[in-house]
Amino acid sequence: DGGITQSPKYLFRKEGQNVTLSCEQNLNHDAMYWYRQDPGQGLRLIYYSQIVNDFQKGDIAEGYSVSREKKESFPLTVTSAQKNPTAFYLCASSYRDPSNQPQHFGDGTRLSIL
Amino acid sequence: GESVGLHLPTLSVQEGDNSIINCAYSNSASDYFIWYKQESGKGPQFIIDIRSNMDKRQGQRVTVLLNKTVKHLSLQIAATQPGDSAVYFCAENISGTASKLTFGTGTRLQVTL
Repeated sequence: DGGITQSPKYLFRKEGQNVTLSCEQNLNHDAMYWYRQDPGQGLRLIYYSQIVNDFQKGDIAEGYSVSREKKESFPLTVTSAQKNPTAFYLCASSYRDPSNQPQHFGDGTRLSIL
Repeated sequence: GESVGLHLPTLSVQEGDNSIINCAYSNSASDYFIWYKQESGKGPQFIIDIRSNMDKRQGQRVTVLLNKTVKHLSLQIAATQPGDSAVYFCAENISGTASKLTFGTGTRLQVTL
């Protein structure tokens, strides 16, 4: 079955530590996205990538980094500079062309601080 | 468990009744809209979309209505079932903006037996 796989499902971070969240898709989608979800709020865009080796900052990129070395993979690193990292992180992907395509989501990674 | 949905507006309906979930979008330039369903502990699931050249679109048991004059979107679910209980989000997009979506805060639908 085609889909988006996020791992791990739960992740704990110590103070001063960087952690990396995995996102893999086998939908042959060009574009991939990372969102953060906090209670009572909508999804907020962290980073997105439309093609391999290219990515752009979203609305809340500070304290995060990404890479896009393969079409299938878009890992997100939560750095120690992110002072409030506790949240539910969602990865999504979509076709680039034609424009206006629905994004499809993985089942998220819940990150907590130890 | 999943804590998303705390402090969200809640719609409570009886099983078998129709549900209407509303969304006011923010940008008059938005021309593509999507409804997502999110169950506890899972990612959002695509339900239905609509482009701004339409004012109504129907799927299986769901209908989306778009009123561009007042920037309002609604999702109608016919014969609501317990499995419809979830948080529902609307999202808007402007053509040419790399499919960047802006999400609403969501509405929790509770189906009572």
